[in-house]
Amino acid sequence: DIVLTQSPDSLAVSLGERATINCKSSHSILYNSNNKNNLAWYQQKPGQPPKLLIYWASTRESGVPDRFSGSESGTEFTLTISSLQAEDVAVYFCQQYFVTPPYTFGQGTKLEIK
Amino acid sequence: EVQLVETGGGLIQPGGSLRLSCAASGFNVRSSYMNWVRQAPGKGLEWVSIIYRDGSTYYTDSVKGRFTISRDNSKNTLYLQMNSLRAEDTAVYYCARGELYFDCWGQGTLVTVSS
Repeated sequence: DIVLTQSPDSLAVSLGERATINCKSSHSILYNSNNKNNLAWYQQKPGQPPKLLIYWASTRESGVPDRFSGSESGTEFTLTISSLQAEDVAVYFCQQYFVTPPYTFGQGTKLEIK
Repeated sequence: EVQLVETGGGLIQPGGSLRLSCAASGFNVRSSYMNWVRQAPGKGLEWVSIIYRDGSTYYTDSVKGRFTISRDNSKNTLYLQMNSLRAEDTAVYYCARGELYFDCWGQGTLVTVSS
């Protein structure tokens, strides 16, 4: 199975500042047919189900604010929130869909306000 | 509006059985890839099972032989039959739509396996 390791496990960022969450894959998850990485990012607020933010590593889901962006470098992926808002407090998960099943998730990163 | 609503969770003794339901609206489950994903209390997300549009099914290793995913097209509902339940199956169970990534999730139903 492909293992995704997120870092850090938690972080605190001031309102209006940039938040960066990393996700490293144990194997390449690059789909040769479209040259895209098979990685998604989710946001889970307390007491709520996960919400899809980004897929194909950098494609924003419809309705997701443009302060959320995804980037990639080899097998390392980054979710960036350019200007943290209070409503962004949540746990963020990455997920690979390159080798499925099983689909695998990172362990999660808890984002709080400093 | 696309919506998923799970029901059927509860407290069950080890070794018992439970069937979860996930009622879909705004789209057809028979033409979608449907999943169950679980989250143990305070833990991360774990994919459990998928049913493809053609009816093929797959499971994570820890539930193979114990859980069965199915759907009723006439009721537009997804199911998860869980047998021989163990303490480690305790989790919130979500149904989610998607073949690759999961773009629609239900609110989840809590399953607690305890004596």
